[in-house]
Amino acid sequence: GAVVSQHPSRVICKSGTSVKIECRSLDFQATTMFWYRQFPKQSLMLMATSNEGSKATYEQGVEKDKFLINHASLTLSTLTVTSAHPEDSSFYICSARAPSGGVNEQFFGPGTRLTVL
Amino acid sequence: AQSVTQLDSQVPVFEEAPVELRCNYSSSVSVYLFWYVQYPNQGLQLLLKYLSGSTLVKGINGFEAEFNKSQTSFHLRKPSVHISDTAEYFCALTGGFKTIFGAGTRLFVKA
Repeated sequence: GAVVSQHPSRVICKSGTSVKIECRSLDFQATTMFWYRQFPKQSLMLMATSNEGSKATYEQGVEKDKFLINHASLTLSTLTVTSAHPEDSSFYICSARAPSGGVNEQFFGPGTRLTVL
Repeated sequence: AQSVTQLDSQVPVFEEAPVELRCNYSSSVSVYLFWYVQYPNQGLQLLLKYLSGSTLVKGINGFEAEFNKSQTSFHLRKPSVHISDTAEYFCALTGGFKTIFGAGTRLFVKA
């Protein structure tokens, strides 16, 4: 089946620094990738939709200048958390769409745990 | 507007007992429905999906779900749970371009 990887799996950074998270589709090309944020004991909240070769579409309330998304190729999307603060600490999960059984399904990465000190 | 409601935030159950995790949805268009499982500090793993056809869907780890259009439900069931089934379970729908998740149900299997 389709495999999506994320790197790093865990990152700890100081307040004010920027952190980049990579999302890769390993065995398929993904024209569309999604970035989610998950707070403890809560559901996934869609942050943005990343389209290859174009600007990401952000959900309402998500700061595009803080969460920079780049989808430079069909297998890689990156999320950069700029000037991170402790409240940005969260579990970030990406997903990628791939055809499966005639439907475009989403396949999820394993997630990245960000801790901002 | 579309929505997914998971009626139980937590479901405690004894090992080898049956379990049902409830999910109701709302949508004005046709949808695809999914159940995912999430273990601590991990991503989501697909348990099963309903795309079309038979309303009873069988998935991995002995789980199954039944799509009920008239009741707009997609409840997840397992006839006999194991300790290892303890996890967070999310119901989700895709109707159009985005996927919407329910709030999740914490299944806690006790010995």
